[in-house]
Amino acid sequence: EIVLTQSPATLSLSPGERATLSCVASQSVSSSYVAWYQQKPGLAPRLLIFDASNRATGIPDRFSGSGSGTDFTLTISRLEPEDFAVYFCQYYGTSPLTFGGGTKVEIK
Amino acid sequence: EVQLVESGGGLVQPGRSLRLSCTASGFTFVNYAMSWHRQAPGKGLEWVGFIRSEAYGETTEYAASVKGRFTISRDDSKAIAYLQMNSLKTEDTAVYYCTRGGSHFTYWGQGTLVTVSS
Repeated sequence: EIVLTQSPATLSLSPGERATLSCVASQSVSSSYVAWYQQKPGLAPRLLIFDASNRATGIPDRFSGSGSGTDFTLTISRLEPEDFAVYFCQYYGTSPLTFGGGTKVEIK
Repeated sequence: EVQLVESGGGLVQPGRSLRLSCTASGFTFVNYAMSWHRQAPGKGLEWVGFIRSEAYGETTEYAASVKGRFTISRDDSKAIAYLQMNSLKTEDTAVYYCTRGGSHFTYWGQGTLVTVSS
């Protein structure tokens, strides 16, 4: 099983700042199978990035994904008020599919 | 418009069973795998399992935490995916989501809360 470790657990930033979220896999994985989601309280997750770096339909270009091997990153270039939420990474290359523990991006 | 609507959640005692349904619309259901996930209160996401499409034999995969207790099935004629949960434990308490597909997930239902408590 691929274990995904996200850091930091909480990121305190101001609107307009850059957010860098990390997701580290327990072993090298194909970058074709890493996704990122945003979740707000009481709502289902929203797909942001798939295949490590491809933005999902309708996702603003301030969101970008990168990485390979064991290290993957979600970057939000300039935080908008609606971006404060919890973010999860996911690996889907093999069963079991796995999610990271999440990073909460909160307003500083 | 793709829509997924979960139903069947509620309060159940430990050791009992519950069946969740995921009613799909807005796409050709028979062509897609369907997945289930859960999220315990205040916790992260956990993949529960999926069922492949008819073209792939409707085979299933499960997380270790539910294997042998949970069963995913589908009725393509009704466009419904099911999650049969047996021998429920308090740690199964969560919001359960269904999604379309078996890899990354664009479409999610609104979730249904399952509470396992005596």
